[in-house]
Amino acid sequence: DTGVSQNPRHKITKRGQNVTFRCDPISEHNRLYWYRQTLGQGPEFLTYFQNEAQLEKSRLLSDRFSAERPKGSFSTLEIQRTEQGDSAMYLCASRPGRIILGHTGELFFGEGSRLTVL
Amino acid sequence: AQSVTQLGSHVSVSEGALVLLRCNYSSSVPPYLFWYVQYPNQGLQLLLKYTTGATLVKGINGFEAEFKKSETSFHLTKPSAHMSDAAEYFCAVSDFQGAQKLVFGQGTRLTINP
Repeated sequence: DTGVSQNPRHKITKRGQNVTFRCDPISEHNRLYWYRQTLGQGPEFLTYFQNEAQLEKSRLLSDRFSAERPKGSFSTLEIQRTEQGDSAMYLCASRPGRIILGHTGELFFGEGSRLTVL
Repeated sequence: AQSVTQLGSHVSVSEGALVLLRCNYSSSVPPYLFWYVQYPNQGLQLLLKYTTGATLVKGINGFEAEFKKSETSFHLTKPSAHMSDAAEYFCAVSDFQGAQKLVFGQGTRLTINP
């Protein structure tokens, strides 16, 4: 049983550059979530997918951010024209579908991708 | 909307002492509640969860938590702290609408003194 995989684990970039993170969820999980975590804070929801459909986006997800899950498997999160305020850990999580009897809603997290914008 | 408040951003205890990390929630429906642990530069690992049934739930690494509806609390405890317990701990509540995402508290950093 492979867990949620994220890469790269660390990315250092200069302000104004574009970066892309990839997330491979647990294979049978059709729901995929992206969170952002800044230093000393709890994870904050960015967006989620059910299969290939992006169904909800947080107001934190500015127009410089875009996420895709083209075939309902892996997902990418791209940040264009990075700013220093984008420096954070980007966490991906997955789980099976809706909360139903027998599934209790917990998320399975990857190791995260840490972004540093200089 | 669901929300979580963790009292105390930093808790320090001696090795072998009781660990108590506080979490209060707000939810318009009976909540599903979770505690996660995060070690430096790693993702979040589930410690334990409450959904329905027994209000005292046991998790990994000797941790347990008690759901108290009257106090809207879900505090995390461990009878005897170990050096390896040093980490960041997050309480979360499940949002049953839309994304059914988890809503996290700000976290509590636990330090263990030798």
